[in-house]
Amino acid sequence: GDSVTQMEGPVTLSEEAFLTINCTYTATGYPSLFWYVQYPGEGLQLLLKATKADDKGSNKGFEATYRKETTSFHLEKGSVQVSDSAVYFCALYNQGGKLIFGQGTELSVKP
Amino acid sequence: DTGVSQDPRHKITKRGQNVTFRCDPISEHNRLYWYRQTLGQGPEFLTYFQNEAQLEKSRLLSDRFSAERPKGSFSTLEIQRTEQGDSAMYLCASSLAGSSYNEQFFGPGTRLTVL
Repeated sequence: GDSVTQMEGPVTLSEEAFLTINCTYTATGYPSLFWYVQYPGEGLQLLLKATKADDKGSNKGFEATYRKETTSFHLEKGSVQVSDSAVYFCALYNQGGKLIFGQGTELSVKP
Repeated sequence: DTGVSQDPRHKITKRGQNVTFRCDPISEHNRLYWYRQTLGQGPEFLTYFQNEAQLEKSRLLSDRFSAERPKGSFSTLEIQRTEQGDSAMYLCASSLAGSSYNEQFFGPGTRLTVL
């Protein structure tokens, strides 16, 4: 069945450091891919999305490119801030109704 | 539009008791989803409705779990004879069927603790 694998956390960075969180997927067909973010004490929020191969999703300085050849959707940000501290989830939507999530990667940014 | 709301936000119960959670979706959304999230894991799909019809159920949804959406608006998730393994965050989400990528909007969740 379809699945998503993320790099394990926690990831601890200093402010202004470069961020990469790896995400790979297994799916039949052409899924849509997402990054969701969960800030402390808050619900899941959609951060960015890509619906077809080579699409680049971007929001709030974060980017991810849908790479079908490597079945990957890695999240990147050039300069993280303390306010980016959160748990990040990679997810896919293929068919039916459900989203399939990775296990989440906790990011902690220190000043 | 106030987003997806869930009630209660926290529930503590004793093993063997029944609990019921409510979810109110975004008003124009016709799809409603339930997920379960345990500590350190991503959300896992439980079930979803399109209008009042329950279209898919995960094998995670044992016979102690039942979900309803009687008028195609709010939904309830009931857990009978709770077990300690039911302790988790229960998330509700809604979306508009027919959108190209099925963007789901999540509520804040109900945290269940079974003692």
